Order: sequence, then C-alpha cells, then structure tokens
Amino acid sequence: SQQGEEDPQALSIQEGENATMNCSYKTSINNLQWYRQNSGRGLVHLILIRSNEREKHSGRLRVTLDTSKKSSSLLITASRAADTASYFCATPREDTGRRALTFGSGTRLQVQP
Amino acid sequence: EPEVTQTPSHQVTQMGQEVILRCVPISNHLYFYWYRQILGQKVEFLVSFYNNEISEKSEIFDDQFSVERPDGSNFTLKIRSTKLEDSAMYFCASRLTGEQFFGPGTRLTVL
Repeated sequence: SQQGEEDPQALSIQEGENATMNCSYKTSINNLQWYRQNSGRGLVHLILIRSNEREKHSGRLRVTLDTSKKSSSLLITASRAADTASYFCATPREDTGRRALTFGSGTRLQVQP
Repeated sequence: EPEVTQTPSHQVTQMGQEVILRCVPISNHLYFYWYRQILGQKVEFLVSFYNNEISEKSEIFDDQFSVERPDGSNFTLKIRSTKLEDSAMYFCASRLTGEQFFGPGTRLTVL
C-alpha cells in the first residue's frame, strides 16, 4: 500500500503567492515529516509534526496534521523563486515501530519570479 | 551546523564491479540509514543501522548489499556486483531522536 502521497503532483505559482501541498497516508503514525529537494540534490528536512500536534509553524512554513483524515498539509507563505523545489512528506514505516521513512512521490513546486 | 556528508558525489562504474559509498553521519547521532532514489522515482528505504548492527532492511537490500561502520565516524554501503538497475542517487541519513538528517547523496551510474 502507498504511504504518504502528495498532491498536487505539480504546482506553479507567482512569487509572493502562497503554496499549499497536501499529503495523505494510510496507517497510524507517530510523526510526519516534510522535506525539500532541489533538482538533483539532497533532501533538506523542513519540519516534523507529531501525531498529538495539529499545527506547527517554522518561519514561512505552516504544517497541519489531521490524524482522523490521515492527512497533512504544508503551506509556504509569500513564496520566493528560491522555494522552487520538490516537496515530500515522509512517515515512519507502517509495518514496524521503527523509524525508517516512507516517502511520497512529491509535489514539484515552481515559483515564477 | 553539523551535517551529514557523503563521498564521492558521483561514482561511475562498470556492471559487475564493486562500489563502496561512504557517509559521515552527524557525530552524536545513533541511528543510520541508507536510502536510494532512482531518477524520477520516489526515495526508497534500503537499510537502517543501530548499535553496530542492521536493525531493519527493505526487500531491495539483498545479498549484494552490505553496510558497515568501520570506525566511530564512517558508515558505508557496499554493492558487491553492481547491476544497471543500481544506478540511482544514494542518500545516507542519521538521527538522534525525531528528524532524520540527510546527506547530499552519491549519484551512482552503472554502465
């Protein structure tokens, strides 16, 4: 089964606009993490939200978690051209209590200057 | 700020050759991971390592793969006999609690 699927697959916005990306997952989780990946580069950890949290902020990032709907959203406010990247949600593996992450396919965000 | 480092950044090898990908995790971290990302596909978990042994591995991590922490700082992934389909970005990650911090990756190209 798929765990951690983002939508939309691609998003193109103008600089200054807000970008919202969604993630759905299938099983119970302890936490959900969002990562950014610039083209061909490594994964940068953005934010971790625990299952007992509903919302978390970090700078221009706002993450929500709805465990009843098994979904999370990442909002980037006042986007910049430098925010252009792929964004992934990741959750610990469903079949173990351990911490290996399962990644979604990602949302490719293009911010037009 | 401490970071995970990986070498080399790009490795080209012939099919059937052995490769060793190297990682230096963040120094006080206890859990170590390898993931891979085939071009255009998802990041996939390979193996996790804790207390000097493999704690879990995926179905991808077959007998051709092995990991080692030869000293107090390095964490290596060895592919014994590379196949064309091993071509991918390989990411090392480490964790103390909570977040996993990823290295910049090694791009492996198997010809």
